[in-house]
Amino acid sequence: DAGVTQSPTHLIKTRGQQVTLRCSPKSGHDTVSWYQQALGQGPQFIFQYYEEEERQRGNFPDRFSGHQFPNYSSELNVNALLLGDSALYLCASSLFPGGTTKYGYTFGSGTRLTVV
Amino acid sequence: AQSVTQPDIHITVSEGASLELRCNYSYGATPYLFWYVQSPGQGLQLLLKYFSGDTLVQGIKGFEAEFKRSQSSFNLRKPSVHWSDAAEYFCAVGAWTGFQKLVFGTGTRLLVSP
Repeated sequence: DAGVTQSPTHLIKTRGQQVTLRCSPKSGHDTVSWYQQALGQGPQFIFQYYEEEERQRGNFPDRFSGHQFPNYSSELNVNALLLGDSALYLCASSLFPGGTTKYGYTFGSGTRLTVV
Repeated sequence: AQSVTQPDIHITVSEGASLELRCNYSYGATPYLFWYVQSPGQGLQLLLKYFSGDTLVQGIKGFEAEFKRSQSSFNLRKPSVHWSDAAEYFCAVGAWTGFQKLVFGTGTRLLVSP
C-alpha cells in the first residue's frame, strides 16, 4: 500500500517565478495538509484541504494557494517566489477530521524547493 | 495560541545509554500530542501519539513518552539508544479549529556517539 507520494523531490526556481508541487495521499485518506519546513526549523502549517475546499489556513500569504482534486490528490502553488520560500514542503494525508483517528497522519518525503 | 517548546536543540548520547527528549506544550484544551522522527532528507515518521487514557504511551522502535498535564510536558524516552536512532525529533500538538492541524516544536537533533 503506497504511502504519500510527492513530486518532484527537488526543484530549483528563480526569484519571481511560480512553482507547483504535487501530492498523492495515502490510499483511503481524504484530507491533505501542506507544511513548510525551513532549514533547522519545525514544519509550519500552510493549509488543509478536504472535499476539494480549503478548510483552514496557517499564517502564509496569498502567494500560497492550493487545490484538491476529486481523487483527493492535491497541489500547492507558490507565486512570485522569494528567497525565503526555500524550504522542504511536506504533504500529510489523513482521514477526516484529522490525525486523531487511529490512522493518524501520514507524511510524504517532501519536495525540496530552492529559490535562487 | 498553541505552541510547542523543545528546549534542547542538540543532544549527544552514547550508544547504549538512555535518552530523554523534552517537550512542553501550550494548549487551552485537552491536547493531542505526537512525536515524530525525521532522518536527513526524509519526511516525518510517527513514533507515538497520545489522545487520552494511560499517560504512558508506547511507540515504535522502543520509544515511550509520558504525558504530564501538571507540567504541560510530553517527554520522549528510550532506555537504550542505538546508532540508528540518530535523527531529528519533533514534538507536536494537534490543534482543533473544526479541523485539526499540527503545531510543531523546533526539533531536537540527536547525535549518537560510539
